Amino acid sequence: KAGVTQTPRYLIKTRGQQVTLSCSPISGHRSVSWYQQTPGQGLQFLFEYFSETQRNKGNFPGRFSGRQFSNSRSEMNVSTLELGDSALYLCASSGGGVFYEQYFGPGTRLTVT
Amino acid sequence: TQLLEQSPQFLSIQEGENLTVYCNSSSVFSSLQWYRQEPGEGPVLLVTVVTGGEVKKLKRLTFQFGDARKDSSLHITAAQPGDTGLYLCAGGYSGNTPLVFGKGTRLSVIA
Repeated sequence: KAGVTQTPRYLIKTRGQQVTLSCSPISGHRSVSWYQQTPGQGLQFLFEYFSETQRNKGNFPGRFSGRQFSNSRSEMNVSTLELGDSALYLCASSGGGVFYEQYFGPGTRLTVT
Repeated sequence: TQLLEQSPQFLSIQEGENLTVYCNSSSVFSSLQWYRQEPGEGPVLLVTVVTGGEVKKLKRLTFQFGDARKDSSLHITAAQPGDTGLYLCAGGYSGNTPLVFGKGTRLSVIA
C-alpha cells in the first residue's frame, strides 16, 4: 500500500497570506489528522476528520481550518498567516484500529516571512 | 501543561553503547505508542503497548509500559548510527480520542 502523501513539501509565504495544504491518506483509511510540529512545542494536534466530518479539534485559533473529501483526501487551510505559524505540518491517517495508531506523511515545511 | 514528559531531551552516545529514554505522565493511558522520526520525514510507529507491565522487544529495542500505565521506557542495546532520530511517545485513551504526544528525545549515535 502506498503511504500517506502530502503536498507541497515546502512552502514559503508572507505574513497575512493564506495557505492550503493537501494530504492523501493510506487507501482505506477514513480518519485523517493534522498536527503542527515546532521545536519549542513539539507535536500538537490540530484536528481530525472522519468520513468528511470533523471528529476532534485541538486548541488552535479559527484561522486553522480543514476539510475532508469523499475519497478521504484532506486539506488544511491557514488564513492570515503569522510568523509563529512557521512549522512542519504533518498529516496522519488511521485505519480505525482500537489504539488509534497514526501513520504519518512526510510533512509540509511552511515558512512565513 | 505537558501531559507527557520525555527525558532526556537530547542524548548523544557512541556506537555500541546502551541507552534508556523515559516517558512519564500523571495520567493513566489505555495505550502507549512509540514513534521514531528521522530528519525530513514524518514519525513512524515502532510499537504499541497496552497492558500495565507489558514488555515488547523489537530487535535491539525494548519497550516497557509501567504497571500503573502512566509511564513507559525505551531501552536500546548496542546503539547504531541508524538509530539516530527523534523518539516520540504518545499516550492513547479509549475511543476515538486523539493521542497526546511528548516533545521527544533527540538521539544521536556517533560511529
